[in-house]
Amino acid sequence: EVQLVESGGGLVQPGGSLRLSCVASGFTFSTYWMSWVRQAPGKGLEWVANIKEDGSEKYFVDSVKGRFTVSRDTANNSLYLQMNSLTAEDTALYYCARVYSSSSGRAFDVWGQGTMVTVSS
Amino acid sequence: EIVLTQSPGTLSLSPGERATLSCRASQSVSSSYLAWYQQKGGQAPRVLIYGASTRATGIPDRFSGSGSGTDFTLTINRLEPEDFAVYYCQQYDKSPWTFGQGTKVEV
Repeated sequence: EVQLVESGGGLVQPGGSLRLSCVASGFTFSTYWMSWVRQAPGKGLEWVANIKEDGSEKYFVDSVKGRFTVSRDTANNSLYLQMNSLTAEDTALYYCARVYSSSSGRAFDVWGQGTMVTVSS
Repeated sequence: EIVLTQSPGTLSLSPGERATLSCRASQSVSSSYLAWYQQKGGQAPRVLIYGASTRATGIPDRFSGSGSGTDFTLTINRLEPEDFAVYYCQQYDKSPWTFGQGTKVEV
């Protein structure tokens, strides 16, 4: 079964740090771009970051540039999001998602269940 | 940044009716890079359509996507009870990848 399982969320104070993990199974992790997408409580979806199959390219939404980093470990089929200098605006459910690409287009075709990050004092 | 504006914000319909959801982009989006997602309460989103008009694996044919340039449409024919949810469009053409604000289809 193709699956993504996130972990690492929790309650953190403003200015603090957190590292999210996502473990992939059921597919060849090393052949897919991967992404992080977040959803603030009661709000819509926001793409956060992408990382290429080999980790050589990374992209971020402007609001997290310089604070978040994304990485991956092919040996452990894992994706990570290191989040620093957290603010209340980062409070959200964080999903990891697989990027499907074909000649017909792209899509986030596999999603995890999400891990909740709450930034509050 | 490409801004996607979805309309209407809420669509009130009954089972069996047709839903027509609009997604308008602030600049032209390549059709290959426009997708639609469905999200039900407490669940992760699920891809319905990618490449503006290609149904994802396992998606019923009552869901269809169309459009090009700046105007895209998701149509749901003969609404089933399980189709009442929030729908998002998303563009992958230019970074940052952006989502529309969502359309809620309610009974």
